[in-house]
Amino acid sequence: AQSVTQLDSHVSVSEGTPVLLRCNYSSSYSPSLFWYVQHPNKGLQLLLKYTSAATLVKGINGFEAEFKKSETSFHLTKPSAHMSDAAEYFCVVSETGRRALTFGSGTRLQVQP
Amino acid sequence: DTGVSQDPRHKITKRGQNVTFRCDPISEHNRLYWYRQTLGQGPEFLTYFQNEAQLEKSRLLSDRFSAERPKGSFSTLEIQRTEQGDSAMYLCASSQPGLDADTQYFGPGTRLTVL
Repeated sequence: AQSVTQLDSHVSVSEGTPVLLRCNYSSSYSPSLFWYVQHPNKGLQLLLKYTSAATLVKGINGFEAEFKKSETSFHLTKPSAHMSDAAEYFCVVSETGRRALTFGSGTRLQVQP
Repeated sequence: DTGVSQDPRHKITKRGQNVTFRCDPISEHNRLYWYRQTLGQGPEFLTYFQNEAQLEKSRLLSDRFSAERPKGSFSTLEIQRTEQGDSAMYLCASSQPGLDADTQYFGPGTRLTVL
């Protein structure tokens, strides 16, 4: 069975400082891993996707994530936070052969001016 | 706009009433998914269609819920005899055939409030 744990429910950073959102996963097989972002009153937007081609994945808006199999982690980072990054972020896993996505409980990112 | 669209965006109903939501996927996406998101939680999978066939249903999908995709294009999700616990955001997603089939693109959702 697959599962996702987002280690922080809230993260607060200052504008211009680095962002780290932590995610650990559990999967029986080689999973696909995703990060989605949800702004208030907006739909879920795909930030990036890992599919085993490369362990460091670059996404939109300067975000990237590193897949570490030994640690079963897929943390999301950004070198410099912008006010517009304030949103809810979801780490998501999809197991090979299954169609359903399994979402983490989300991390709310606050960006202070 | 060529994204996933959902209608209505908001629905307020009284307990015991039936409601129906519609989802229009991205053109040429043959897979369509329904999820439910309650406040403060991540979305949870409800059901999945490939073309017009409903191939997977979560145990969250009680017998009061029914989903259809009659012509393999748009889909409807009906909830009969609504309960206050059905209050949630109902999200639709679609994905294309082929190598990128596991990448799902989401619509804006329908927020249901049951009074």
